[in-house]
Formats: sequence, C-alpha cells, structure tokens
Amino acid sequence: QKEVEQNSGPLSVPEGAIASLNCTYSDRGSQSFFWYRQYSGKSPELIMSIYSNGDKEDGRFTAQLNKASQYVSLLIRDSQPSDSATYLCAVTSGWDSNYQLIWGAGTKLIIKP
Amino acid sequence: KAGVTQTPRYLIKTRGQQVTLSCSPISGHRSVSWYQQTPGQGLQFLFEYFSETQRNKGNFPGRFSGRQFSNSRSEMNVSTLELGDSALYLCASRSGLDTGELFFGEGSRLTVL
Repeated sequence: QKEVEQNSGPLSVPEGAIASLNCTYSDRGSQSFFWYRQYSGKSPELIMSIYSNGDKEDGRFTAQLNKASQYVSLLIRDSQPSDSATYLCAVTSGWDSNYQLIWGAGTKLIIKP
Repeated sequence: KAGVTQTPRYLIKTRGQQVTLSCSPISGHRSVSWYQQTPGQGLQFLFEYFSETQRNKGNFPGRFSGRQFSNSRSEMNVSTLELGDSALYLCASRSGLDTGELFFGEGSRLTVL
C-alpha cells in the first residue's frame, strides 16, 4: 500500500525561528510533491509544489526533495504566528493520464509568540 | 475567477436519513474529488470524477456514491446515515488528471444525530 508519513506533532516553534516539516513516501515512482496548509476549521490550500530533486524557494517557504531517500520537507523561515496550521504533505502516484494524490495525516505546527 | 463552491455549508441529519452534497468546480476544471475529514483522521479520499466518469475510488462502503454532470458540477450522496458519518466533506477540483494541484471548497460540515 502506498503511504505518505508525517509526524503528527504538534511541532512547537518560537516566532522568528525556522520550522522544519518532514514527509516520507513509499512509492518510488512518485513524480510530484505538494505541501498544503490547513488552518483550523478551514479547507486545505496549496502552498508549495516541487517536481525535481533539490530546493525550491518561494518567499519564506522552501521545499526540499530527495527522491533517492524518498523524503520531502518544508522549511518555513522567520516563522510567524499566522503560520500556525496543519501542514499536509501529498504525493502523486499513478501514471501520466491519471495521477492520484496520496496524503499524509498532517503535522500540526504551533508558532509561539 | 470563482473558486470551488460547496453547498450546503452545514447540515444536521439523523441516523438512517440520506444526504446529498453539491460541488461546483472552478470554471474549466473537469475533475472533482471528494474527501472526508474527521478529527485525527486526516483526509480520506472518497472518489474522483472526470468528464462524468468515476476515475478513482477510495475505500468507503457503497452507501457513499457520487456523480458528475456535463457542466462538471458534482454531487455526492450518503445513504442510511450513521453517527460515524459526521465529518467535514471536502470537494476539490483540478484542471486535469495529470496534475496534483487541487483547489478545495470550504466544505460541507455534516452532523449526524
């Protein structure tokens, strides 16, 4: 069974520090990787996508992908209280014409002022 | 560009009843997925429709069903409601089956008494 694993947390980080969220996946054929953010009582929203090994930066967010080790991470620099949310890792599985998303259970992040 | 619209937002039913939820995807998106989310359970995939055809299905009993219309709007139905069906039901659309970028609606929160 294809799986995506995340530490459920909560992960508590002081304001201004770097928050590091990790995710491992089991399907070696996975091609696309996503981080979604979900605030309490709200629906998930896509914040980062990464498709090749290495780092991808977008503002305070950096996604890192290592396909050989089958992990993807999200770094949040200069963490703000507004970053407090659950972060969901999602990985595609399947073939070009029919990607399915496999979801992790999410990591709850708490940024302490 | 309008986002994904789900109706109703909140509803209360009693055991044994049935419920129908509606989802209108982003204009131009032909894929609609449905998810169930309960506290501590993460996102549980129900099914996905593309061009009026069910393309993928999760591990839910037959009481959960769905359909998609020619305008890409989708409905899901749950028959013979059980207490455990109380959850947030999320609809998400994507432009095609070759992308993992999902756009979620605000959800329909179902309470079964």
